[in-house]
Amino acid sequence: QVHLVESGGGGVQPGGSLRLSCAASGFTFNDYAFHWVRQAPGKGLEWVAVISYHGANKYYADSVEGRFTISRDNSKNTLFLQMDTLRPEDTAVYYCARDPGTVATLGFDSWGQGTLVTVSS
Amino acid sequence: DIQMTQSPSSLSVSVGDSVTITCRASQGIRNDLGWYQQKPGKAPKRLIYATSSLQSGVPSRFSGSGSGTEFTLTISTLQPEDFATYYCLQHNSYPLTFGPGTKVEIK
Repeated sequence: QVHLVESGGGGVQPGGSLRLSCAASGFTFNDYAFHWVRQAPGKGLEWVAVISYHGANKYYADSVEGRFTISRDNSKNTLFLQMDTLRPEDTAVYYCARDPGTVATLGFDSWGQGTLVTVSS
Repeated sequence: DIQMTQSPSSLSVSVGDSVTITCRASQGIRNDLGWYQQKPGKAPKRLIYATSSLQSGVPSRFSGSGSGTEFTLTISTLQPEDFATYYCLQHNSYPLTFGPGTKVEIK
């Protein structure tokens, strides 16, 4: 059974940093690409970043480009999101999501439960 | 970037009703569209992928159709557990973009 568990969220001041993790189990982690998707309180879903199954290809939303870095450790079945220079508008629940696509993205077939990031002074 | 719009933004319906939600893309996305259901405080769940393919385990009362720029999600015979917010997602090109959501509420 697919299991994705995010951690690392919390409160941080503007300009600060956080590193989110997503631990995967129940499937072969390095067969899949992964994404981060976020949802600000009371708002809709926003795609944040993607990393390919081997980690060589990464794409980011314009809103986080240059501040966030997606990475993965296939030996530990873990996905990461390093978030630097955080802004109040980055406040959101952050979800990791699995992508069943190989050559091209096919969206998200499994999601974690999310971790809340709050950026406030 | 591809912009996604959804209509209606909300609707109030009764158990047993049929519901149709429309999603439009600002440019053609072939059939690279999925539908997701989200209940309050929960992670989204995929219902439909590649426009019309039903995700494993999802009831057959959910169906999707469309191509190019206009897509629909239909829920036939609405059940109590279907009251939720529904989002479309285009995965044709980066950045991936969601529609703003459609909230289905109990009348």
